Amino acid sequence: DAKTTQPPSMDCAEGRAANLPCNHSTISGNEYVYWYRQIHSQGPQYIIHGLKNNETNEMASLIITEDRKSSTLILPHATLRDTAVYYCIVYPYQAGTALIFGKGTTLSVSS
Amino acid sequence: EAGVTQSPTHLIKTRGQQATLRCSPISGHTSVYWYQQALGLGLQFLLWYDEGEERNRGNFPPRFSGRQFPNYSSELNVNALELEDSALYLCASSLSGWGETQYFGPGTRLLVL
Repeated sequence: DAKTTQPPSMDCAEGRAANLPCNHSTISGNEYVYWYRQIHSQGPQYIIHGLKNNETNEMASLIITEDRKSSTLILPHATLRDTAVYYCIVYPYQAGTALIFGKGTTLSVSS
Repeated sequence: EAGVTQSPTHLIKTRGQQATLRCSPISGHTSVYWYQQALGLGLQFLLWYDEGEERNRGNFPPRFSGRQFPNYSSELNVNALELEDSALYLCASSLSGWGETQYFGPGTRLLVL
């Protein structure tokens, strides 16, 4: 079972920041927080991951709370192409571990 | 840099037949993972190959099998196809080692009639 809880859906206006929350209250010390997204019928796309520090790359920012029990993915300027299902996954630092996908959050960006 | 590639993009088979799906990992990656995404369901882990060996498998019957070649590409074989095998089959690759990021291909959509 997925160890994360995400809202089933969110809406965002184009050009605004999209903030996607994720709860992972049972996360272990050796588990990373990973974010992927899946645009309809395509393979999941890796977005970003982190352990305990905030992370930023060209796609998004990841904010992890100090107790590591929750995190927020931030898309700073959402576009229509960001409409997708976003998955938050806890992933242990362990060889060959499978990713366990939950139901994710469906983000709908509208103009 | 080329990403993970999969072939074919679509495959139509009839019940009882065998299907073969192929995956080429990102250059330098030695681990290949296979996942199944049935319609309306989440991604389910099928198999993990690393350095030519099957290292782990998910909760799927033995008719789901595969192999990894010396160039690290991989094949997934599904024997005795059943209607419920209709799904998007996704391949991911990663550097071998601990907790490496998995990168996914575009998938093969299998339809069993």
